[in-house]
Amino acid sequence: KQEVTQIPAALSVPEGENLVLNCSFTDSAIYNLQWFRQDPGKGLTSLLLIQSSQREQTSGRLNASLDKSSGRSTLYIAASQPGDSATYLCAESDNYGQNFVFGPGTRLSVLP
Amino acid sequence: EAGVAQSPRYKIIEKRQSVAFWCNPISGHATLYWYQQILGQGPKLLIQFQNNGVVDDSQLPKDRFSAERLKGVDSTLKIQPAKLEDSAVYLCASSLDRVAGGSEQYFGPGTRLTVT
Repeated sequence: KQEVTQIPAALSVPEGENLVLNCSFTDSAIYNLQWFRQDPGKGLTSLLLIQSSQREQTSGRLNASLDKSSGRSTLYIAASQPGDSATYLCAESDNYGQNFVFGPGTRLSVLP
Repeated sequence: EAGVAQSPRYKIIEKRQSVAFWCNPISGHATLYWYQQILGQGPKLLIQFQNNGVVDDSQLPKDRFSAERLKGVDSTLKIQPAKLEDSAVYLCASSLDRVAGGSEQYFGPGTRLTVT
């Protein structure tokens, strides 16, 4: 059974700090891994999608990496801003591009 | 490009009543997903459609939940009868075509259901 965990559950950092969010998964045959942010009371916004053949993806201040052998993905946020405060979730899908399993999320607070 | 639309945004019902949620995916997206998100947890996949066919409904409580996507476009999710533990946010998402590798998901705003 696929399982996804995220550490830490919550994180509070001062503005300007670089930070790393962690995502671990048990399915070595993943199809892709996607990172999302969720603001309170809102739906999920896609941040980055990494296909299983890729090692990393970058968008602006965000960089996500994927290591299938260790079952880990990391989301790196550079120069954090108060507007980055949200819950960040990762989700992986199996080899058929289905059976999406989400982690519980990391709640990030960036203090001005 | 319009995003995924969902309605209603909020719903309060009493236990044993029925409720229905509606979702309209992004135009041209073949795959549609319904998720249940309980407070403090990540979303849990309930059902996944490819066009108007069901791909995966292994986690759908079929004794009370049903979903359809008759014309391969919009979809409805129904709960009948509702239980207290069904209180959650119901999220709809769509993706271009999982088979073709376009499985990046786009989410709607969700419907917050409260069962009293």
